[in-house]
Amino acid sequence: DAKTTQPNSMESNEEEPVHLPCNHSTISGTDYIHWYRQLPSQGPEYVIHGLTSNVNNRMASLAIAEDRKSSTLILHRATLRDAAVYYCILRQHRGSTLGRLYFGRGTQLTVWP
Amino acid sequence: EAGVTQFPSHSVIEKGQTVTLRCDPISGHDNLYWYRRVMGKEIKFLLHFVKESKQDESGMPNNRFLAERTGGTYSTLKVQPAELEDSGVYFCASSQAPLGRRYTFGSGTRLTVV
Repeated sequence: DAKTTQPNSMESNEEEPVHLPCNHSTISGTDYIHWYRQLPSQGPEYVIHGLTSNVNNRMASLAIAEDRKSSTLILHRATLRDAAVYYCILRQHRGSTLGRLYFGRGTQLTVWP
Repeated sequence: EAGVTQFPSHSVIEKGQTVTLRCDPISGHDNLYWYRRVMGKEIKFLLHFVKESKQDESGMPNNRFLAERTGGTYSTLKVQPAELEDSGVYFCASSQAPLGRRYTFGSGTRLTVV
């Protein structure tokens, strides 16, 4: 079973903010939260990652709940090029599975013009 | 810099045949990963190389799958003999370090076993 759960699909209008939620209730204290997105016929592409604090980069923001059992990827102004499948992922930070990514099933984001 | 390259992009084979997938990571990336997504499931880890050594192969589904990374450069994933349930998309990713900030994925190989 996936370690993260996400809605199957979400929709947004162009230039509006988008909040993509993710639950990861079994996260361990050393797991990092990553978000990747996948465009058609391409591999997953890095978006953002964090551990405990909220993070911002040029692509998006990541808001992490205080108990770390959920997070939200925020696209501040959706564009048509943001239409993709967004994956919420846990990355293990220790042990024999160091660096392994655990993917959720992803949220298909549709952006309407 | 060139990205992660995978080929073929598509492969259709008959059950019982052998298929070899290839991945060329970004130059200088010691860490190479194989993942796959089968129909209706999430993308799942298969194995992790550090240079030419298998760091973690616990995700390999069975002994019909063999991965190699000779010389620590490109990697191959061979499926022999292929079964219907092996159909899916196989992704390769590379990173400079196992805890790198980001992993660069290839576009994947879509394998169909008929």
